[in-house]
Amino acid sequence: QKEVEQNSGPLSVPEGAIASLNCTYSDRVSQSFFWYRQYSGKSPELIMSIYSNGDKEDGRFTAQLNKASQYVSLLIRDSQPSDSATYLCAVNRSNYQLIWGAGTKLIIKP
Amino acid sequence: DAGVTQSPTHLIKTRGQHVTLRCSPISGHKSVSWYQQVLGQGPQFIFQYYEKEERGRGNFPDRFSARQFPNYSSELNVNALLLGDSALYLCASSLIAGAYNEQFFGPGTRLTVL
Repeated sequence: QKEVEQNSGPLSVPEGAIASLNCTYSDRVSQSFFWYRQYSGKSPELIMSIYSNGDKEDGRFTAQLNKASQYVSLLIRDSQPSDSATYLCAVNRSNYQLIWGAGTKLIIKP
Repeated sequence: DAGVTQSPTHLIKTRGQHVTLRCSPISGHKSVSWYQQVLGQGPQFIFQYYEKEERGRGNFPDRFSARQFPNYSSELNVNALLLGDSALYLCASSLIAGAYNEQFFGPGTRLTVL
């Protein structure tokens, strides 16, 4: 079992719809969770961090964390073609190390 | 404000050679982390440095080493290059050390080993 798992996709969503990206992790003691967006050939760009159970909203993005189920998700409302990218989930393994999923490729269809 | 900068952008080396990659963090950030990203995978943690000291090390061989300077910039060194070292090397900066802090990435250095 991988420490951080994401569906590789591609996930195809119509423009204007809600895109839902999911991530599961194996270490119950993990405390910090991050979503990054990575365009092809570029470096990861931080979207949001979340540390507590529940929802955290930032503009069109909402991160959801459920530590009991070891599950973190990212919702993108009103999806735009510019949202087409690979979305990476990162979870802390220790005080200093982040473990990353392989990413979900999201395609927004106009 | 300038973001994280890395140099060089691209690099081509042959097996057995040595390479040095450089990173300057965001102004005010004191911690630098290095990652290796192979196509189709997420970044793999190599090192984290804070206040010139190594604070964390990933599962990489001793051929990989790094250091941080008094101005908080950092170098990643890789000796005896192997074909498998071909990857995108990413530097990320954060205000302080720890995996709990948001990290911001530079553009990366794409290393090709022939």
